[in-house]
Amino acid sequence: GAVVSQHPSRVICKSGTSVKIECRSLDFQATTMFWYRQFPKQSLMLMATSNEGSKATYEQGVEKDKFLINHASLTLSTLTVTSAHPEDSSFYICSARVGRQGAKNIQYFGAGTRLSVL
Amino acid sequence: SQQGEEDPQALSIQEGENATMNCSYKTSINNLQWYRQNSGRGLVHLILIRSNEREKHSGRLRVTLDTSKKSSSLLITASRAADTASYFCATERGNQGGKLIFGQGTELSVKP
Repeated sequence: GAVVSQHPSRVICKSGTSVKIECRSLDFQATTMFWYRQFPKQSLMLMATSNEGSKATYEQGVEKDKFLINHASLTLSTLTVTSAHPEDSSFYICSARVGRQGAKNIQYFGAGTRLSVL
Repeated sequence: SQQGEEDPQALSIQEGENATMNCSYKTSINNLQWYRQNSGRGLVHLILIRSNEREKHSGRLRVTLDTSKKSSSLLITASRAADTASYFCATERGNQGGKLIFGQGTELSVKP
């Protein structure tokens, strides 16, 4: 099946620094990738939809200047948490879609990145 | 916003028993999917059922969909300790660019 690699798996940083998380589709091209945030024992909250070659679409309430998304190629999307603060500590997960909407819209997920901001 | 509600939130069973998880949603959908998440990891796709389908099987998994009630269920038969994980339903609506909206999840614990 399709493989999505997410890096790093864990990052600890000081408050005020920026952190970049990479999401790569290893054996397929992904025109669309999604970024989620998950708090402990809770569901996934969609943050934004990342489209190759165009601006990301952010969900309501997600600050686009805070969470910068770049999807420069068909196999790589990055999420940068700018000026991170302790409240940004969370589990961030990316996914990539193989097909278009409908029956082939299965998302393949990265293993997630645990961000801890001190 | 999350539109899926799942119950139970947590389920603990013995190995060999069946596990049933339910999911309800609020709007019309194109399809409904079930995913599994091991603790601290990403999600793995289990099964997709289209809005015009009522039941689907995959190995020990059986999914039903009742669009009139806007609900779905996931049945895992003959559970194993390795089935211990969180299970999420996710719905795809039309004209949403393929976005999935995830339910709250059911935490399944299968005791050996």
